[in-house]
Amino acid sequence: AQKITQTQPGMFVQEKEAVTLDCTYDTSDPSYGLFWYKQPSSGEMIFLIYQGSYDQQNATEGRYSLNFQKARKSANLVISASQLGDSAMYFCAMRGLKSGGYQKVTFGIGTKLQVIP
Amino acid sequence: DVKVTQSSRYLVKRTGEKVFLECVQDMDHENMFWYRQDPGLGLRLIYFSYDVKMKEKGDIPEGYSVSREKKERFSLILESASTNQTSMYLCASSLAGTGHNEQFFGPGTRLTVL
Repeated sequence: AQKITQTQPGMFVQEKEAVTLDCTYDTSDPSYGLFWYKQPSSGEMIFLIYQGSYDQQNATEGRYSLNFQKARKSANLVISASQLGDSAMYFCAMRGLKSGGYQKVTFGIGTKLQVIP
Repeated sequence: DVKVTQSSRYLVKRTGEKVFLECVQDMDHENMFWYRQDPGLGLRLIYFSYDVKMKEKGDIPEGYSVSREKKERFSLILESASTNQTSMYLCASSLAGTGHNEQFFGPGTRLTVL
């Protein structure tokens, strides 16, 4: 079984500052992938960044980076230089990567980020 | 530009009605999914399909059924809508296989059952 825990229901950050959104996970799969999605008030989920459990380096995508600490089972999202448009719900998710059949994605309950001007 | 579309953004139905939610993707993805999203519960998988006419139950399939007659279209059916099915419904699609195959989501349908 897989479990994703996001303990921050809401976060505030000043515009242009960096912010870290926490995510811890639990899984029995030896190989897995971790995802972060953004959901603006419009409702559509937008993929941000991916980290494979086998990746040696932390993933980065523009202003987004994933602070992956495998031993601690954490996959925190770091947003640098926050912008007003970053205000949204953020979801952490994971999927096992073993072959043979589809491995479903498990989502956390989300963190609401508000960027203050 | 890749796209997942859903038939309605907002829908209001009465208890006992049969409800159809349609989802279409134009990316030739093998996998398609239906989730419901409720505050404090995140996204919960209702059903998914990995091929035409194939379907698998997710975590909360009770009260729902699905249909996938064509690769690009995945329908969610509420046979007899109930008030506890009031929710946001999200459709998604992805490529098959393991690895970095993120899901692409539609805009969601906010369903209210009165």
